[in-house]
Amino acid sequence: QKEVEQNSGPLSVPEGAIASLNCTYSDRVSQSFFWYRQYSGKSPELIMSIYSNGDKEDGRFTAQLNKASQYVSLLIRDSQPSDSATYLCAVNRDTDKLIFGTGTRLQVFP
Amino acid sequence: DGGITQSPKYLFRKEGQNVTLSCEQNLNHDAMYWYRQDPGQGLRLIYYSQIVNDFQKGDIAEGYSVSREKKESFPLTVTSAQKNPTAFYLCASSTFYTSAHRGEQYFGPGTRLTVT
Repeated sequence: QKEVEQNSGPLSVPEGAIASLNCTYSDRVSQSFFWYRQYSGKSPELIMSIYSNGDKEDGRFTAQLNKASQYVSLLIRDSQPSDSATYLCAVNRDTDKLIFGTGTRLQVFP
Repeated sequence: DGGITQSPKYLFRKEGQNVTLSCEQNLNHDAMYWYRQDPGQGLRLIYYSQIVNDFQKGDIAEGYSVSREKKESFPLTVTSAQKNPTAFYLCASSTFYTSAHRGEQYFGPGTRLTVT
């Protein structure tokens, strides 16, 4: 079992819809969770972090964390074609390293 | 402007040659990391360093070497012992883990290495 699992996609959504990206992790002691966006050929960019159970909103992005079920999700409201990218989930298990999922490719079509 | 720089953006080498990738940060971050990304795959940790003059192997350190002589700099050498060196190499940095900063890492633009 991978430590951090994501569906590779592609997840295709129409412009204006809500995109829902999911991530599960295996280590119950994980404390910090991050979402990165990576455009093709570019480096990952941090877009959200979440540490406590529940929702955290930032603009069109909402991160959701459920530690009991060991999953973290990212919702993108009013999806735009510019949101088309690969979204990487990362989990901080120890204080000095992140474990990354392989990413979900999102396609937003006009 | 604070950030992480990596150079060069593209690098081409012949098989059997060592090559050094540069990574510099002016964020005053303590920890620095090197990752490798292959097409369609996630990030794999090569080496990381939390303080000057100290570094630890990641998951795929074989065939790579690093140094951390200055806080701002963490160069990666890809040696001829690395069997499949062609990849996208990413450098990242982070501040120490605190209640406010819990391990988030910030990435440089990457170096795409091609070895033929």
